[in-house]
Amino acid sequence: DIQMTQSPSSLSASIGDRVTITCRASQDISNYLAWYQQKPGKVPNLLIYGASTLHSGVPPRFSGSGSGTDFTLTISSLQPEDVATYYCQKYSSAPPGFTFGPGTKVDV
Amino acid sequence: EVQLVESGGGLVQPGGSLRLSCATSGFIFSRFCMSWVRQTPGKGPEWVATIKHDEDGDAYYVDSVKGRFTISRDNAKNSLYLQMNSLRADDTAVYYCARDWIDLAFDHWGQGALVTVSS
Repeated sequence: DIQMTQSPSSLSASIGDRVTITCRASQDISNYLAWYQQKPGKVPNLLIYGASTLHSGVPPRFSGSGSGTDFTLTISSLQPEDVATYYCQKYSSAPPGFTFGPGTKVDV
Repeated sequence: EVQLVESGGGLVQPGGSLRLSCATSGFIFSRFCMSWVRQTPGKGPEWVATIKHDEDGDAYYVDSVKGRFTISRDNAKNSLYLQMNSLRADDTAVYYCARDWIDLAFDHWGQGALVTVSS
């Protein structure tokens, strides 16, 4: 099975900072990678799919990049409402299924 | 507006059964693959099962629930189900119904149904 790791596990940054979160897959997953934001007490919210495609309604300060095994989520200018835990998630077709990363908690 | 509303959660003893339902509205249910995803407090989400949208309704599961859980759907009722048998303590979680987005991710989630497996 393909394992997903994220780094760092948590970070603290200031408003306006550029924040980068890394997700690594144990095997090549092409661009089958999504990112979610989960605020405390809320359900996960899809930010990016296909490694770099911004989902509808997501602010453009969020961006994703990478392919193969290494991926990044970048927040270009951190806002107070971005305090949340961020998860990466991979899709595979053989065997079919989804796996989430362990998460990165972002504080201000 | 897309809406997903789970029901059927509760407290069950180890070895028991429970059936979750997810009523949907606001989109053409029969055109989308649907999934169940669970999450325990302080941990990341865990995908549980997915069912295809077509007539075959092919389904696939995470290894830990294979042979115990069954996902199904009723396109006429716009509803998704999860039959959970032989429940174990480590199945305790909030279970979310989720709509698949081009088979790569989950773009809409319900508010969740809490399942607690305990004696």
